[in-house]
Amino acid sequence: EIVLTQSPGTLSLSPGERATLSCRASQIVGSNYLAWFQQKPGQAPRLLIYSASSRTTGIPDRFSGSGSGTDFTLTISRLEPEDFAVYHCQQYAASPWTFGQGTKVEVK
Amino acid sequence: EVQLVQSGAEVKKPGESLKISCKVSGYSFTTYWIGWVRQMPGKGLEWMGVIYPGDSDTRYSPSFQGQVTMSVDTSITTAYLQWSSLKASDTAMYYCARLYYGSGSYYSPFGPWGQGTLVTVSS
Repeated sequence: EIVLTQSPGTLSLSPGERATLSCRASQIVGSNYLAWFQQKPGQAPRLLIYSASSRTTGIPDRFSGSGSGTDFTLTISRLEPEDFAVYHCQQYAASPWTFGQGTKVEVK
Repeated sequence: EVQLVQSGAEVKKPGESLKISCKVSGYSFTTYWIGWVRQMPGKGLEWMGVIYPGDSDTRYSPSFQGQVTMSVDTSITTAYLQWSSLKASDTAMYYCARLYYGSGSYYSPFGPWGQGTLVTVSS
């Protein structure tokens, strides 16, 4: 199975700063079938990005995804207070689909 | 509006059986895969598997194959996840989620999610 490793585990930043989250795969993710989710405490995850770089309807353009092959990045250009949360990457190219362990973006 | 509404929290003893549900509305139930995701306390997300309500084709993660059973009832647009004999290690939040793409497309991220069902297994 494809193992996804997210880094860093925790990112401590201030509102207005730029956040860069990494998701590295143990094998090539075919067709760049890589998604990013946001999860706030006590809530279900929410799909932000699919196919590595396509934003879901309603997701602000400060969220962007990039990368291909085995290295993918989620960038939040300017953190808003509501962006502090845990972010998960998921590959859906090869069964079993897998998630990374998550990156927590916390207020510095 | 697409909605996935899960059944309420459960407290069970080891060895007991359990079936939790995910009632969907707002879209054609039989044309989207629907899956289940486990989140153990303080941990990340784990993909358990997916089922296609159109023909009940089911794909399990090897980690969950034989441990749980996924099913659907198309007459009431509801998906189910069941255990025949719970263990303490099954204590977790369980989410159902529909795939983002329809028309039977399998290679798709999860789109809308249910609110989660907390399962606690303790003697």
